[in-house]
Amino acid sequence: SAVISQKPSRDICQRGTSLTIQCQVDSQVTMMFWYRQQPGQSLTLIATANQGSEATYESGFVIDKFPISRPNLTFSTLTVSNMSPEDSSIYLCSAWRGGYTFGSGTRLTVV
Amino acid sequence: QQQVKQSPQSLIVQKGGISIINCAYENTAFDYFPWYQQFPGKGPALLIAIRPDVSEKKEGRFTISFNKSAKQFSLHIMDSQPGDSATYFCAASMNSGGYQKVTFGTGTKLQVIP
Repeated sequence: SAVISQKPSRDICQRGTSLTIQCQVDSQVTMMFWYRQQPGQSLTLIATANQGSEATYESGFVIDKFPISRPNLTFSTLTVSNMSPEDSSIYLCSAWRGGYTFGSGTRLTVV
Repeated sequence: QQQVKQSPQSLIVQKGGISIINCAYENTAFDYFPWYQQFPGKGPALLIAIRPDVSEKKEGRFTISFNKSAKQFSLHIMDSQPGDSATYFCAASMNSGGYQKVTFGTGTKLQVIP
């Protein structure tokens, strides 16, 4: 299975600012995914990112708020834009390579 | 129809005991049922998985029991150890354009006490 490096691992940000989260996969993967996980809660899919095409967003998530880049088959970024305290959460990237592998997550606190 | 219901929300088990986590689904299009284990500060990691043509799968101390007619499946952890303390997510997935689109349960926080 793939190994994913995600950074930053945590950050504290001011409201109104943006944070970009990066995920690097150790092998080429077609599908990458971004999830949000509230502490103690389940995983909610934000969007699916294929290389060379626009990301597909789930209901309740929009590109202006969560722009995603997928420049190649091993890398993706998620930006959380114009942050508010409600965006405080854990953000996880994931890749599909015959099974799901997850990064270690980014714990975001917006103050 | 896309929901996967998981119970209990939390579980405390004595070391050496059996931990049991239950899940139920509605959508009969699901064709793959993985369980994930998540430690604090880490992403979920695949623990064990089963397909609906099998009623049971065992890997070491971990066993999945699957009841297709009832649309239920469960994870049994035998001889539970303090190192098993983690959050467990059941999931159900179906083929969607070359990959498995997955729906996660709500999670069970397991604490194994010495």
